[in-house]
Amino acid sequence: SAVISQKPSRDICQRGTSLTIQCQVDSQVTMMFWYRQQPGQSLTLIATANQGSEATYESGFVIDKFPISRPNLTFSTLTVSNMSPEDSSIYLCSVDRDRGDTQYFGPGTRLTVL
Amino acid sequence: KQEVTQIPAALSVPEGENLVLNCSFTDSAIYNLQWFRQDPGKGLTSLLLIQSSQREQTSGRLNASLDKSSGRSTLYIAASQPGDSATYLCAVGEADTGNQFYFGTGTSLTVIP
Repeated sequence: SAVISQKPSRDICQRGTSLTIQCQVDSQVTMMFWYRQQPGQSLTLIATANQGSEATYESGFVIDKFPISRPNLTFSTLTVSNMSPEDSSIYLCSVDRDRGDTQYFGPGTRLTVL
Repeated sequence: KQEVTQIPAALSVPEGENLVLNCSFTDSAIYNLQWFRQDPGKGLTSLLLIQSSQREQTSGRLNASLDKSSGRSTLYIAASQPGDSATYLCAVGEADTGNQFYFGTGTSLTVIP
């Protein structure tokens, strides 16, 4: 298994500002994933973060809006830049140990943009 | 692109009932399928993982089945308890996209004491 923590757990931000979300895993993993869950919606993958390389973004998500860092095998950050109310969502970090393995999720960061 | 649908969107049952949650997906070329539980204000907890070569998985009172050819999976919960109240999400791992999972919109389950 994997234990994942996220900071902050929730935040209320003003339009136009940026927020950086941290994800910490209790053991080394190759791939980390960032998801967004908008109100009443399903989870959507934002990007995949591998240590030592640029993150891979899914269609509809760009690096300028959601820059990601992956400085080591246990940590990643996601920044939500120049926020608007449409960015109000739960942002979740997840990992798996190998392709096809169980995915483990952090508790999520609930973001509200005013 | 894979589309994942869950029916019903919400379900309310009395304690002790057996129940079935449904998940359907449009592309049968899947790598695996995973059922999660999401509690309010919390992350997702993995319940069962079924590889594409498997037909079912069981854990305690939970049983998940997979029929790839028809694009369907079911999650069976036996003898439901109030603690089972949560949102249940189905996620399909695609064969060609590495670790990409496509999620359904979930079924919100309430078990009434």
